[in-house]
Amino acid sequence: EVQLLQSGAEVKKPGESLKISCKGSGYSFTNYWIAWVRQRPGKGLEWMGVIFHSDSHARYSPSFQGQVTMSADKSIRTAYLQLNSLKASDTAMYYCARTGDGGDIDYWGQGTLVTVSS
Amino acid sequence: QTVVTQEPSLTVSPGGTVTLTCASSAGAVTSGYYPNWFQQKPGQAPRSLIYSTSNKHSWTPARFSGSLLGGKAALTLSGVQPEDEAEYYCLLYFGNIQVFGGGTRLTVL
Repeated sequence: EVQLLQSGAEVKKPGESLKISCKGSGYSFTNYWIAWVRQRPGKGLEWMGVIFHSDSHARYSPSFQGQVTMSADKSIRTAYLQLNSLKASDTAMYYCARTGDGGDIDYWGQGTLVTVSS
Repeated sequence: QTVVTQEPSLTVSPGGTVTLTCASSAGAVTSGYYPNWFQQKPGQAPRSLIYSTSNKHSWTPARFSGSLLGGKAALTLSGVQPEDEAEYYCLLYFGNIQVFGGGTRLTVL
């Protein structure tokens, strides 16, 4: 059974950094990309970017380029999303999603809620 | 940046048929944009329904179908059930990046 298990909810202060994780199981990890998706409270889905595990090559949405860093450790089947210099506007649910060729998404993580508040 | 547009809201009666569309500011949507469709209910993670325009996942109910219609990607629900009330999002592939539509809130009434 394919599963993506994300790290737990986080509460951070403005200016702090955060790294959330997404651990895959039940499939050949290095054959797929992992996309990261943001959803602010009451808003729609935003595609942030995608990382390929076999070579850690990442592509970022222009809206998020330079604001976040995606990485992966294939030895432990885990993808990471690092958020730096957090602002209140970074408060959101962050999802990881398994992505195949052509950007086809099938499986989603359960989401990680990030709250940024002073 | 390319904008992907969906109807903000639609209403359908139980048992009816409704079509949701997904347009690109870059021009007509073709199969090369690999349209994906997702369903999201309140408090839940999104669920994938359709990939590469019209392909269903193993868990996708038969009443959902994807297509290209008039230069847009389309998601058609036939024989709508009350549990289909949800937000629906499309996702288009633009080479190096992908972009979600703003979502369609589907009400079953």
